[in-house]
Amino acid sequence: GIQVEQSPPDLILQEGANSTLRCNFSDSVNNLQWFHQNPWGQLINLFYIPSGTKQNGRLSATTVATERYSLLYISSSQTTDSGVYFCAVRPGNTPLVFGKGTRLSVIA
Amino acid sequence: GAGVSQSPSNKVTEKGKDVELRCDPISGHTALYWYRQRLGQGLEFLIYFQGNSAPDKSGLPSDRFSAERTGESVSTLTIQRTQQEDSAVYLCASSLAVAGGGYTFGSGTRLTVV
Repeated sequence: GIQVEQSPPDLILQEGANSTLRCNFSDSVNNLQWFHQNPWGQLINLFYIPSGTKQNGRLSATTVATERYSLLYISSSQTTDSGVYFCAVRPGNTPLVFGKGTRLSVIA
Repeated sequence: GAGVSQSPSNKVTEKGKDVELRCDPISGHTALYWYRQRLGQGLEFLIYFQGNSAPDKSGLPSDRFSAERTGESVSTLTIQRTQQEDSAVYLCASSLAVAGGGYTFGSGTRLTVV
């Protein structure tokens, strides 16, 4: 099946810093989503982005489908950004396949 | 409803007992998914339903696990003869269709088998 690799696995940031999270996938996909799982376990959909670039406040994402990767940018990080960021892809008519996530800790 | 609703939010059960977890998807969402997340791990696909089609059960880890869905509404995930390794958060999501549209997840059911 499709492989989804996220990097880095862990990231510690000082509040106010910027970061880039990466998601590589091994096959073509027709859906890609970025999720944030907060410390209470709730999964929040950040972006539905099978291709192109989207922005939402301090967050933006870019997916280059032809090169099989996606990037999530976090600017001016805040302590509330802490949690785990998951990339998930859908190859064809199948359920989302999740990466193992990037655990982000933002310290004041 | 406005979001995906799961119940109970927490369940502690004795090893060997059966448990039933419930998921109420967003109204109008034809696709419904169950995932499992063990502590500190990623999400593991269990089963999905798409409209009136036969469910894809390929992710169910054993025959102790089963799920049902009535039409395009509520789904229940049943675990029989629970084992300690079943302890995890069980997450339900729904979407407009399998082939398109983003997923919305519920808050999950934290199952602890003692």
